[in-house]
Amino acid sequence: RKEVEQDPGPFNVPEGATVAFNCTYSNSASQSFFWYRQDCRKEPKLLMSVYSSGNEDGRFTAQLNRASQYISLLIRDSKLSDSATYLCVLLYESTFGDGTTLTVKP
Amino acid sequence: IAGITQAPTSQILAAGRRMTLRCTQDMRHNAMYWYRQDLGLGLRLIHYSNTAGTTGKGEVPDGYSVSRANTDDFPLTLASAVPSQTSVYFCASSAEAGGLYNEQFFGPGTRLTVL
Repeated sequence: RKEVEQDPGPFNVPEGATVAFNCTYSNSASQSFFWYRQDCRKEPKLLMSVYSSGNEDGRFTAQLNRASQYISLLIRDSKLSDSATYLCVLLYESTFGDGTTLTVKP
Repeated sequence: IAGITQAPTSQILAAGRRMTLRCTQDMRHNAMYWYRQDLGLGLRLIHYSNTAGTTGKGEVPDGYSVSRANTDDFPLTLASAVPSQTSVYFCASSAEAGGLYNEQFFGPGTRLTVL
C-alpha cells in the first residue's frame, strides 16, 4: 500500500461549486500534513497546513481525521483560478501523494 | 536572488553522459532536498541534506549523488544518465529538518530528457 493515496480525478466542476478531495495515509504515526498546489508541472507551492483537527483559510478548509487516517481539502465557491493539481503531503517524511487534478469551468 | 534557483531550466542529454543539476538558495535554510516528478505522479525524494556537510538517501537514490559543501548550494549529479531518469527535478529547502511544520520551498525545476 502506498504511504499516501489520492483520488487522481480529474474533478471537473463549474464556477461557484463546492468540491472536496480526500487523501489517505498508511502510517498512523504521521503528524505533519500539508496541502500543496501545483500548476502545470511548475513548482509546488504551499496551500495550507493541517493542524490537529483542521484549518480554515478563506474558501479553503482542510481537515484531519486521525482515526480513519485521512485528510481532506474543501474548496468553496470555486474560481477558474483554482484549476490546478492538489498534492497531499506528509512533510515530516517528505512523502507526496500523486495529486488530484481540479478543473473549474465557466 | 530570491528563494531557490535551479539550472539549467531544461536539458536534453545523451544516455551515458554525466550531468550536474545545480540548486542554490539564499534563505539560509539548513535543510535541502532533491525530488523527481514523473508525468502523472507525485514527487519522490531522491536525496536530502539536513545541514551543510551532511547528506542522506531518499526513496529513489540509485543513479544519483549529492554534495553539500555549504549552506546555499546542493548540486545533484547523474554519473551516467539513463532514459529512465527522464523527469522533472525539483530542489527544495526548509528552515530546519525534521520539524513538523517546516514548510518546504521549491525551485522552478529542471526538465531533463535522456535519450
